[in-house]
Formats: sequence, C-alpha cells, structure tokens
Amino acid sequence: DVKVTQSSRYLVKRTGEKVFLECVQDMDHENMFWYRQDPGLGLRLIYFSYDVKMKEKGDIPEGYSVSREKKERFSLILESASTNQTSMYLCASSSWTEGTEAFFGQGTRLTVV
Amino acid sequence: DQQVKQNSPSLSVQEGRISILNCDYTNSMFDYFLWYKKYPAEGPTFLISISSIKDKNEDGRFTVFLNKSAKHLSLHIVPSQPGDSAVYFCAASARSNTGKLIFGQGTTLQVKP
Repeated sequence: DVKVTQSSRYLVKRTGEKVFLECVQDMDHENMFWYRQDPGLGLRLIYFSYDVKMKEKGDIPEGYSVSREKKERFSLILESASTNQTSMYLCASSSWTEGTEAFFGQGTRLTVV
Repeated sequence: DQQVKQNSPSLSVQEGRISILNCDYTNSMFDYFLWYKKYPAEGPTFLISISSIKDKNEDGRFTVFLNKSAKHLSLHIVPSQPGDSAVYFCAASARSNTGKLIFGQGTTLQVKP
C-alpha cells in the first residue's frame, strides 16, 4: 500500500518560530510537492522538487524554504512563522511514469499564534 | 494568475441524480488532468484522470470529459450518493515539463438523501 506520511497532524507554534514540516514517501517517486489549503483558495503550490537537491518555486513560496537531501524525504521550513501561515499543509509525491497520479499525505493543520 | 479555475464553490444534488462539476484552464501546455476528492481533515485522494489525447474517460460512476478547444473539463457522477459529499478538486499538469500539478479552488458537493 502506497504511503505518504507527514510528521504531525496538528501543530501550534508561536509567531517568529522556525517551523519544520516533514514528509516521507515510500514509493520511490521522483516528484514531491508541498501545498497549502485555505478556504476558497483551493490547493496552492508552495514548492516542488523533481529530484534530490532540486527544487522549483510554486505560486506562493514567500516565507518558506524546502530541503530534499534524500529521495524519500521532503521538508518544508517556515523561517519565521507568521499568523498568515496558519493553514492546512499537504505533501504529495508522484512519478514520471505516464498515468501516475500524485499521492497525498494526511495533512498538517498548523496554527501560528 | 489562476491557471486552473473551478468557478462553482458549491453544488447540491439529490441522491440518485447526476452531479456535474466543471473546471476551466488557461495554459495550453497542460496535457494531463486529474480529479481529486477530499474529506475534512484528510489528504485528497485520486479519483480519475484523463490525458489530452482523449476526450472521455470512465471509471464506474465517474466520467471525465475534456474539451481541449474550450480548455474545459467536467466530472460527471452518476448516480450520486450521499457518500460522494466532499470537496472536489481538479488539477492539471504539463507532463512534458516537470510534472508540476496545479489545482483549482475546489467545489463542495453535497448529495442529499
């Protein structure tokens, strides 16, 4: 059974803290994604990685950075958390193989206070 | 610049009737389209996809139609069931590029018994 696992379901952090969200996939996928979901805005792409140490900015990268040192792990970093980063964060992975969809983790609900 | 748009935030249908969810896109480079279903506090799950070389793909009660000239796709659910009540996202990818997935804003479907 394919699996994308996010390290936390719920997180509460203080403004200004450095926050790490971890994601691990066991499918040997090349591509990994970080999205955030907000009401009325859908899923917005923060960062995308298509290989180890390779990354590409999505639509809303400001205030975030990412790290992909190993193929199976993709980390999202909030350098200095702010209240407008309170959101549901979703990690996904996919393969280059034709017809292969992206698989999502269960999500991390982050609240910045 | 919203490349994938779902203009109906919500849809309500009666059990047993057809549900039609719509999606428009602007990027002519997109050649692979997907629909995802999401329940609250869970990650999205893949539903059905279609390649740009096709205009229809069917899987059980779910059918996706693609009109490339209009840059429009739709998801038909027949017959609708109360368990189909969820948020539905369409997504698009230019697989010849990096396989980056871009999502729409989502449509909340409510199927009434």
